[in-house]
Amino acid sequence: AQSVTQLGSHVSVSEGALVLLRCNYSSSVPPYLFWYVQYPNQGLQLLLKYTTGATLVKGINGFEAEFKKSETSFHLTKPSAHMSDAAEYFCAVSLALAGNKLTFGGGTRVLVKP
Amino acid sequence: GAVVSQHPSWVICKSGTSVKIECRSLDFQATTMFWYRQFPKQSLMLMATSNEGSKATYEQGVEKDKFLINHASLTLSTLTVTSAHPEDSSFYICSARPAGQGAKGNTEAFFGQGTRLTVV
Repeated sequence: AQSVTQLGSHVSVSEGALVLLRCNYSSSVPPYLFWYVQYPNQGLQLLLKYTTGATLVKGINGFEAEFKKSETSFHLTKPSAHMSDAAEYFCAVSLALAGNKLTFGGGTRVLVKP
Repeated sequence: GAVVSQHPSWVICKSGTSVKIECRSLDFQATTMFWYRQFPKQSLMLMATSNEGSKATYEQGVEKDKFLINHASLTLSTLTVTSAHPEDSSFYICSARPAGQGAKGNTEAFFGQGTRLTVV
């Protein structure tokens, strides 16, 4: 079985500062990893995903994440926060052996201060 | 990118009535759709996996007789909350995976915008 842990349910950053959202996973086989963003009362939008190959993945809106197998982590970063980045962010894992179902972390709400 | 449309975006219903939520893939065919439930300030919990032309697979603890899922075509899945009660009030989200990619866990599933259900 797979699981996802997001450290920190809330993160507050100043506009222009680094955004770092932490995600650790547990899986018995190599997973596929995803980061999604959710704005209030909306569905989820994919920011980026890791499948195979390069461990540093670049996504939309300036976000990127690095898959570190030794640390079982997939942390999300953005060098400079914008006010529009205020949202809820979810890390998720998918395993072919688990029917490709997405398992989500608890989510991290990002607040951007002007 | 691919678009998934959920309808309605919000609905208020009386306790004891049934509510149907539609999930449509607008520009692709989806053999598999997923239904999630999200409580306030919490993560998404998978309720069931819907496969076109077959019965849905429900997650443990989800009442299949209460949450009826129908996936009659490659572009439409519906979730019906039967005999709704206030505790069923929640945000329901569907996602769809394009046909032909069901065997690959690395493919993106596209999400609808969600339906906020309030049972009074």
